[in-house]
Amino acid sequence: KAGVTQTPRYLIKTRGQQVTLSCSPISGHRSVSWYQQTPGQGLQFLFEYFSETQRNKGNFPGRFSGRQFSNSRSEMNVSTLELGDSALYLCASSLYTGWNTEAFFGQGTRLTVV
Amino acid sequence: TQLLEQSPQFLSIQEGENLTVYCNSSSVFSSLQWYRQEPGEGPVLLVTVVTGGEVKKLKRLTFQFGDARKDSSLHITAAQPGDTGLYLCAGVNDMRFGAGTRLTVKP
Repeated sequence: KAGVTQTPRYLIKTRGQQVTLSCSPISGHRSVSWYQQTPGQGLQFLFEYFSETQRNKGNFPGRFSGRQFSNSRSEMNVSTLELGDSALYLCASSLYTGWNTEAFFGQGTRLTVV
Repeated sequence: TQLLEQSPQFLSIQEGENLTVYCNSSSVFSSLQWYRQEPGEGPVLLVTVVTGGEVKKLKRLTFQFGDARKDSSLHITAAQPGDTGLYLCAGVNDMRFGAGTRLTVKP
């Protein structure tokens, strides 16, 4: 059974650009959550999608957005990149929405903004 | 502001030693999860504790949830190099993670 796949693994962007990250969940999982991990702030929740609808949202500016497709694959977009957006972006998939269901994480996309 | 405080932040020990790491909060959680993250990988769920006072064992790992459901601890017996990683706790109320304890077990 394939795990959660995130692409690309590494990305370098220039300040002011925009970026799109992709996440393919485990087959049959309908919930995808996104997280940002930095040495200073740790692992922070961005948002969760279930059945193509955003169900929960963390405390991030509107430059961070996402969407989910009918096959449960999800994309995350960051516009007008800032140096502070450099981080490891992780997605996690689970069968159902809600915090009590087990989440399986991908390996992440490491974004560097220069 | 982190609502979940983990201690210690860093821990380096020799193989075979025992250790305990802590996760503390002023908030009450319906349940709490522990994850381990190895370099270059995403976090992997180790356990979910639900009931105040609950103790769960996973081989050499023992997890305890405080009676008031505000804190938790992870005890590792006879640590091995394979236990090396970042240990994270997360409050299931809002999936807020602690900063983690980075454990290094030297052979």
